Amino acid sequence: AQSVTQPDIHITVSEGASLELRCNYSYGATPYLFWYVQSPGQGLQLLLKYFSGDTLVQGIKGFEAEFKRSQSSFNLRKPSVHWSDAAEYFCAVGAKSGGYQKVTFGTGTKLQVIP
Amino acid sequence: DTAVSQTPKYLVTQMGNDKSIKCEQNLGHDTMYWYKQDSKKFLKIMFSYNNKELIINETVPNRFSPKSPDKAHLNLHINSLELGDSAVYFCASSRTEGITEQYFGPGTRLTVT
Repeated sequence: AQSVTQPDIHITVSEGASLELRCNYSYGATPYLFWYVQSPGQGLQLLLKYFSGDTLVQGIKGFEAEFKRSQSSFNLRKPSVHWSDAAEYFCAVGAKSGGYQKVTFGTGTKLQVIP
Repeated sequence: DTAVSQTPKYLVTQMGNDKSIKCEQNLGHDTMYWYKQDSKKFLKIMFSYNNKELIINETVPNRFSPKSPDKAHLNLHINSLELGDSAVYFCASSRTEGITEQYFGPGTRLTVT
C-alpha cells in the first residue's frame, strides 16, 4: 500500500523568501505524485503532478517540484513566496486499486507567510 | 461555471439525526469520491464510484451510505449522526482512465452537537 509523509506540520516564511515543502512517499512501483493546495475554507486545487519523464515539473502559481527516486521524495519549491500563498499544502501519491485509482494524501503542511 | 459543487456548505445538527450532503459535477467525469477531512486536516478517502457503481469502500461505518443516481451526482447520507462525524466532507471527481488529478468541491462542514 502506498503512503505519504509530510514531515513539517507548519512552516513560516517571510514574503519574498524561498520555500521548500518536503514530501516523502512509499510505493513499490513508479509513483504518480501530486501536490494540492487548500486555501482557507476552500476545496483542494491541483498545483502540479508527476507521472513520468522530466523529474522537475512546473505547476501553477510559480510552483515547481522535483522527483527524486533515490530519496523517495517529491519536494515542492517556490523561489519567492507571496502572501497569497498562505494555505495548507498536501502531497499525494496515486496508485491503481482493483483497476481504479486510489489517491493517498499526506497530513498536510500549513504555510504561514509573514510580511 | 462551478465544476464540482456541494450542498449544503454548512450543516449543524444534533446527535442521532439523519442528514444528506449532495454533490454534482459538470466535468463529464465517470468517477466520483467522498473524502472526510478531520480537525487536523487529515484527508481520508471514504468512497469512490465509477459510473454509478461503488468501487472503493474504505472502513467506514455503515451509517454512511453513498448513492449515485447518475454519473454526475454522488450523494452522501448519514444515519444516526455521532459527535465524531463532525468534519469537513469533500466530494471530488476525476476521469477514470489512468491515474489523474481529482477536482474537489468546496466542502461541507458538518457539526454534530
